[in-house]
Amino acid sequence: AQTVTQSQPEMSVQEAETVTLSCTYDTSESDYYLFWYKQPPSRQMILVIRQEAYKQQNATENRFSVNFQKAAKSFSLKISDSQLGDAAMYFCAYGTYKYIFGTGTRLKVLA
Amino acid sequence: GAGVSQSPRYKVAKRGQDVALRCDPISGHVSLFWYQQALGQGPEFLTYFQNEAQLDKSGLPSDRFFAERPEGSVSTLKIQRTQQEDSAVYLCASSPDGNQPQHFGDGTRLSIL
Repeated sequence: AQTVTQSQPEMSVQEAETVTLSCTYDTSESDYYLFWYKQPPSRQMILVIRQEAYKQQNATENRFSVNFQKAAKSFSLKISDSQLGDAAMYFCAYGTYKYIFGTGTRLKVLA
Repeated sequence: GAGVSQSPRYKVAKRGQDVALRCDPISGHVSLFWYQQALGQGPEFLTYFQNEAQLDKSGLPSDRFFAERPEGSVSTLKIQRTQQEDSAVYLCASSPDGNQPQHFGDGTRLSIL
């Protein structure tokens, strides 16, 4: 079965500090994409970062970076210099056209 | 519009009623997707359109769920004879093609009483 596991239901980080959110997945496909989406209370899913599975180089978008370990099927998100606006639910997902999402990690940012 | 637009934002219906949820994708986006997000869960795939063709409907939970996109732009998700377990947020997403990242709307929160 295709699954995505986010083992941390909730995480807290002090403003300006760094936090890492974990994600593992299970698929038999060889070519796919991996994503982190952010969902604030407004409900809109906002793309944070995307990784192509065939690329070994980890994706980076400003303060957001990933640690992609294809053999281990692990895809963690690191947020540096955390800001109050980063507080939200974060969902890990993989797929090509059909995305499989995890259950999410609620990130709290403490002032 | 600039983003994916969904309406209504909230819908309350009595059990057994039919409901229709609308999605207006980003202009020019070929691919359109529907997801169902239960409370405290991640979104789950329902169906996928490329233009007006429904290429994958494997996630639709029952034959009470029906989606269409007759002219390849606006899409409607219809749920017939609603049941309490249909209560969820229904998210629509679009992308320029099937391999580009999906852009999501704000969703419709459906509550069945």
